[in-house]
Amino acid sequence: SQKIEQNSEALNIQEGKTATLTCNYTNYSPAYLQWYRQDPGRGPVFLLLIRENEKEKRKERLKVTFDTTLKQSLFHITASQPADSATYLCALDIQGGKLIFGQGTELSVKP
Amino acid sequence: SAVISQKPSRDICQRGTSLTIQCQVDSQVTMMFWYRQQPGQSLTLIATANQGSEATYESGFVIDKFPISRPNLTFSTLTVSNMSPEDSSIYLCSVEDRLATEAFFGQGTRLTVV
Repeated sequence: SQKIEQNSEALNIQEGKTATLTCNYTNYSPAYLQWYRQDPGRGPVFLLLIRENEKEKRKERLKVTFDTTLKQSLFHITASQPADSATYLCALDIQGGKLIFGQGTELSVKP
Repeated sequence: SAVISQKPSRDICQRGTSLTIQCQVDSQVTMMFWYRQQPGQSLTLIATANQGSEATYESGFVIDKFPISRPNLTFSTLTVSNMSPEDSSIYLCSVEDRLATEAFFGQGTRLTVV
């Protein structure tokens, strides 16, 4: 069955540093991979999508890479801010809109 | 984009009772998705709801426990039946954009069963 794993449950970094989150998957060849942000008590909010034929995508301070050989995506937040503190989820579309999510990485950015 | 209103936002229920969660979307959508997020866990898809047909349930979820209605293209309900403490979770409804490349979520219903 499809499996998605994200790196360590919690990541603590200092303000201004770059946060790097990892998403690994097995037993699947997705056409694209998505990243979401989830704040406590809220539903996930879409951040970025990267397709299988794209190596890298950027949006403001966010950068996502996608290595289909390694079956891995990296999610970077540069010049991190305390407001970036949240849980970040990666997700794969497995069939007609159905999403399978990783367990999430909780990011804490300290001032 | 889509705006999803979900209610109730939270509830505390007695075991053995049922709770119906409502999900309203501000635009017509073909498919609506219901997810469960257990404490400290990620989202797990419960079922896909299409208007005019029975919902399609994922492995581990059954209609008797989680009946779903989809009366029109902007509305759906999920009922959690005969609740037990193990059903304590956040329940979320979701829709996708036309290209099915971005999902939009309601704010979730935090259910506590006592």
